[in-house]
Amino acid sequence: GQQLNQSPQSMFIQEGEDVSMNCTSSSIFNTWLWYKQEPGEGPVLLIALYKAGELTSNGRLTAQFGITRKDSFLNISASIPSDVGIYFCAAHGSSNTGKLIFGQGTTLQVKP
Amino acid sequence: GAVVSQHPSWVICKSGTSVKIECRSLDFQATTMFWYRQFPKQSLMLMATSNEGSKATYEQGVEKDKFLINHASLTLSTLTVTSAHPEDSSFYICSASLSGYEQYFGPGTRLTVT
Repeated sequence: GQQLNQSPQSMFIQEGEDVSMNCTSSSIFNTWLWYKQEPGEGPVLLIALYKAGELTSNGRLTAQFGITRKDSFLNISASIPSDVGIYFCAAHGSSNTGKLIFGQGTTLQVKP
Repeated sequence: GAVVSQHPSWVICKSGTSVKIECRSLDFQATTMFWYRQFPKQSLMLMATSNEGSKATYEQGVEKDKFLINHASLTLSTLTVTSAHPEDSSFYICSASLSGYEQYFGPGTRLTVT
């Protein structure tokens, strides 16, 4: 079946540092989404990408839809303590059911 | 915009009882709603896809008689965990889709079965 491989699994960084995480797959996707989840909460949509090569920013966050349609990355610039959480990539599979496939998540910890 | 609520946010019930969780899209009409289950330190696991007025589509391995889903309107879907057992304890999250591409998630419901 279709799978997303998200890396790194976890990151522990200093406040102010930039962060980069990515998702790869052997399958082609039409939409990539990035979510952030904080403890005890549901995921919050950060960025949605719809076209191959698309580069989209949301404040300090930037995400790109890979040209091959098989990968995506998320960058966070100048990290702050409130960036702490689990970041998930998600993508729409080949069916038209609207179902999302999720990566395993990247746990980000920021040291003040 | 695109706010999804869940109720209750947490519930403790005794083994053998049933629990109903509500999912509402507050400021939009959702064409489709989804129910997920999440174990600690793991990703989200899709349980079922729900369209208003039709039967839910369950993922492989999810017991439809145990996890009853009703999608009565474009803004409300409910998940009922029937005859709950301790192994059903988990974090249940719903999401709602407006366009079929983006999913907006509720805050989740923590279920503990004793």
